[in-house]
Amino acid sequence: GENVEQHPSTLSVQEGDSAVIKCTYSDSASNYFPWYKQELGKRPQLIIDIRSNVGEKKDQRIAVTLNKTAKHFSLHITETQPEDSAVYFCAASIGRNNDMRFGAGTRLTVKP
Amino acid sequence: NAGVTQTPKFQVLKTGQSMTLQCAQDMNHNSMYWYRQDPGMGLRLIYYSASEGTTDKGEVPNGYNVSRLNKREFSLRLESAAPSQTSVYFCASILTGGNQPQHFGDGTRLSIL
Repeated sequence: GENVEQHPSTLSVQEGDSAVIKCTYSDSASNYFPWYKQELGKRPQLIIDIRSNVGEKKDQRIAVTLNKTAKHFSLHITETQPEDSAVYFCAASIGRNNDMRFGAGTRLTVKP
Repeated sequence: NAGVTQTPKFQVLKTGQSMTLQCAQDMNHNSMYWYRQDPGMGLRLIYYSASEGTTDKGEVPNGYNVSRLNKREFSLRLESAAPSQTSVYFCASILTGGNQPQHFGDGTRLSIL
């Protein structure tokens, strides 16, 4: 079936460095790709999303790029801060009803 | 405007017991979803309801049933709980299908002994 692969599973960076998380998907019909941040014990919260008619989207220190031909998309966080430490999930839409497939998550640790 | 509300927040069951997890949203959203989250496996879709009166299976529906009681409420039932169903359960909703972010509840942490 359709699935989403996410790498790496853990990522540790120094404060101020950049962090990149990559995802690949299998369904060529996927057209919506959100990214969620989940802090320990909390709900997932949307941080940025991209639709298939756009190749890149940026919001302050966060950017997402999409390559539909290669079926992969990436999250880029610049000038990382300790409060960026969390688990990040990518997702891809499946089918007509916004059914989503999630990646397994990346635990990002930003060291002060 | 509370968003998506899940009850209970925590529950411990014995194997074989039954349980209904409740979810309600006050955003007038059409579509609602139930996910389970296990360590290292992300969020996996159990069931979803694209609109009031309809429900469909997701990736991992076995052992669960759902009811879309009305537009606001979408419940998840475990008829005979098993230890493999120990997980954190999240409910989510969106206004309508297609290209929109899901709004999540705070989750229900369920342990089955």
